[in-house]
Amino acid sequence: GQNIDQPTEMTATEGAIVQINCTYQTSGFNGLFWYQQHAGEAPTFLSYNVLDGLEEKGRFSSFLSRSKGYSYLLLKELQMKDSASYLCAASDSNYQLIWGAGTKLIIKP
Amino acid sequence: ETGVTQTPRHLVMGMTNKKSLKCEQHLGHNAMYWYKQSAKKPLELMFVYNFKEQTENNSVPSRFSPECPNSSHLFLHLHTLQPEDSALYLCASSQGLDYTGELFFGEGSRLTVL
Repeated sequence: GQNIDQPTEMTATEGAIVQINCTYQTSGFNGLFWYQQHAGEAPTFLSYNVLDGLEEKGRFSSFLSRSKGYSYLLLKELQMKDSASYLCAASDSNYQLIWGAGTKLIIKP
Repeated sequence: ETGVTQTPRHLVMGMTNKKSLKCEQHLGHNAMYWYKQSAKKPLELMFVYNFKEQTENNSVPSRFSPECPNSSHLFLHLHTLQPEDSALYLCASSQGLDYTGELFFGEGSRLTVL
């Protein structure tokens, strides 16, 4: 079956770096998405990777290894506003999105 | 107004009630979606519409009935729901159906079924 695994919850300190991992098993692959969702708000798009490697966008970077079925989201210089849930989703051969349950990130001062 | 707007934001209903959720997108997108989000569970795709035509129905119970009168509006009609249907219902839109572009989500309608 198709599956996405990501940690349920992580805690990090303001100013530090945190890496949120995501492993996926899909029938075919057409890319990996990361979304951020603050409590009570809409999920918002962070990144899309379809080729292996690291893509950087300011404080956020996303990495993909297609051979390992693995991605991570790297957040640097953490700020309190980064406290949110981070959703990983993989697109399969039919372009269906397979979602993970999300990782709740708690930032402490 | 911009983006994707959902109303109501909160809804409490009894199992015998009939209510509707509304979604409107101001982005000129062609595809619209209904998702169910339950605590600590992955997003569940319920319905997909492309150019007003339903393209997917992921084995959703008939007590949920979608309606898409045009590419900008999407409704979810609810009747005789069960307590396990309590969840956050998210509407989303995208330019097309190729799923390589980002989804734009509304803030959701929090539904509680008593």
